Amino acid sequence: DVKVTQSSRYLVKRTGEKVFLECVQDMDHENMFWYRQDPGLGLRLIYFSYDVKMKEKGDIPEGYSVSREKKERFSLILESASTNQTSMYLCASSLKTSGVGGTQYFGPGTRLLVL
Amino acid sequence: QQQVKQSPQSLIVQKGGIPIINCAYENTAFDYFPWYQQFPGKGPALLIAIRPDVSEKKEGRFTISFNKSAKQFSLHIMDSQPGDSATYFCAASKGPPGLTFGEGTQLTVNP
Repeated sequence: DVKVTQSSRYLVKRTGEKVFLECVQDMDHENMFWYRQDPGLGLRLIYFSYDVKMKEKGDIPEGYSVSREKKERFSLILESASTNQTSMYLCASSLKTSGVGGTQYFGPGTRLLVL
Repeated sequence: QQQVKQSPQSLIVQKGGIPIINCAYENTAFDYFPWYQQFPGKGPALLIAIRPDVSEKKEGRFTISFNKSAKQFSLHIMDSQPGDSATYFCAASKGPPGLTFGEGTQLTVNP
């Protein structure tokens, strides 16, 4: 089974802090994704990566950056956390980006509270 | 631009009922249509998926109906159970960046 793990289930941070969220997948997938999930807004793509050291902006990249130094690991960075970044953050991975191979496998999520 | 529109936003049915969740898409380049199920505190998990050359797919109590000409697809849950209470997302893919998700439907199945 594909396994996607996220470093923390819950995080509480202060406004202005630098926050690192880490994601690891064990299926040698090329593609990795970071989403945030807010009530009524569904899943919104923040960034995705289709290869090591490659990244592309998603729909809502402002205030975030990412790093992919190894194929299995994809990190989301909040350079200076703000209260409007309080959310559930979900990491996912997929073998491809279309067809059956485009199935994304999600981690359990990190619920971030910024005070 | 929302390319996949999902309805209803929430749905309450009695045990044994058949909830139906609908999605409509705009881009005819989409080539894969999965549905995800998410329980509270968990990440979404693939439930069932369909390709556009198939009009219906059934897996257990879950069925996807696909209408290519209308650019619509729907999820039916037969004999729904309280354990089916979850949030359901439809999605579509056509290449990078991957899946485009609907807004989600929160389903409650009452005992």
